Amino acid sequence: GQQVMQIPQYQHVQEGEDFTTYCNSSTTLSNIQWYKQRPGGHPVFLIQLVKSGEVKKQKRLTFQFGEAKKNSSLHITATQTTDVGTYFCAGRRNTGKLIFGQGTTLQVKP
Amino acid sequence: EPEVTQTPSHQVTQMGQEVILRCVPISNHLYFYWYRQILGQKVEFLVSFYNNEISEKSEIFDDQFSVERPDGSNFTLKIRSTKLEDSAMYFCASRTGLREKLFFGSGTQLSVL
Repeated sequence: GQQVMQIPQYQHVQEGEDFTTYCNSSTTLSNIQWYKQRPGGHPVFLIQLVKSGEVKKQKRLTFQFGEAKKNSSLHITATQTTDVGTYFCAGRRNTGKLIFGQGTTLQVKP
Repeated sequence: EPEVTQTPSHQVTQMGQEVILRCVPISNHLYFYWYRQILGQKVEFLVSFYNNEISEKSEIFDDQFSVERPDGSNFTLKIRSTKLEDSAMYFCASRTGLREKLFFGSGTQLSVL
């Protein structure tokens, strides 16, 4: 079946350092969404990427969708303690079902 | 912002018992989902529901699971005979269209003893 792999599983950074998580799908995706889950919370939508090679920015967060629409990345510049949480990518095929990656849990040391 | 509401927030049950998890999706949404998340693991798709029927389900969603939308507002997940491995956080989610973002509820933490 369709797999969405995400690495790394965990990342510990010092506040102010950058952070990147990578997402890879075994199949071409219609679009990819990114969600953030704070500890003890529920996933909250961050952004959706649809076009091949698309890049979107939200303040310190930069999201990219690969040319082949099989991979994506989320990069956070100069992390803050408020960035702590688990970041999930979720890929969608034509059926509409979202398949979530395993998530990357970010810890930020002040 | 409108919210997906889930009740109860915690449910403790004995193995073999039936449980019903309840959700009220956002009122103008058309697509409804159940996901589950075992502690520390990824969010796993269970089932999607559209136009009063299941549109897709995962291998986890076996004969012990069922969903209903009994009255046009509630969306329920029933587990007929719970197993220890059903212990997880169950999230309900909804959205307006297939290309749109998912809105998740706060989840029901199910503990099977």
